[in-house]
Amino acid sequence: DTGVSQDPRHKITKRGQNVTFRCDPISEHNRLYWYRQTLGQGPEFLTYFQNEAQLEKSRLLSDRFSAERPKGSFSTLEIQRTEQGDSAMYLCASSLGGGANIQYFGAGTRLSVL
Amino acid sequence: DQQVKQNSPSLSVQEGRISILNCDYTNSMFDYFLWYKKYPAEGPTFLISISSIKDKNEDGRFTVFLNKSAKHLSLHIVPSQPGDSAVYFCAAFRFISNFGNEKLTFGTGTRLTIIP
Repeated sequence: DTGVSQDPRHKITKRGQNVTFRCDPISEHNRLYWYRQTLGQGPEFLTYFQNEAQLEKSRLLSDRFSAERPKGSFSTLEIQRTEQGDSAMYLCASSLGGGANIQYFGAGTRLSVL
Repeated sequence: DQQVKQNSPSLSVQEGRISILNCDYTNSMFDYFLWYKKYPAEGPTFLISISSIKDKNEDGRFTVFLNKSAKHLSLHIVPSQPGDSAVYFCAAFRFISNFGNEKLTFGTGTRLTIIP
């Protein structure tokens, strides 16, 4: 399977704990995106990487959130001091750019903060 | 500010008939529109796209129509099949530059149920 993979698929944590999610994009894709989806809503943009450079962060991404993409390959999204409002599905997508810039999504990591 | 809107949360269609899913947008600067399909416990899967300079794009059973003056697009599925039952998201982006962030702005989705 050469699609976008995300790990873990589910994460349950207690409020105040730190969590880290991983995304492995399609290997030749240089663009990587993180989105967050809550119940009844569409995915909302969080942050964007072009190769290893983080070029944009949404205002939704508070200081407790940090993302990296070392060497322009896999990416990690860390949430520090989790809050109940962080409970959501975190989706990763990758693309090649150009034309319709079709973004291919992983299955997501569902975070539940108790 | 919801720039992409899907006003029908759900739609039921009989198998073999046409399914029509609608989407409205407010940002006239969008360059591309895309439809994604999502099954439970899976990520969104790309279906079909249309450039803002076109008014129709067709791919097999799926056709997307764009009416720029009305800021409206629709996805037609003909004939509808049971496997089409899923949540459908309309999304759009604006081209910034060769290295720009073409982030997708999504609608809230329409749950399509195909009745056998």
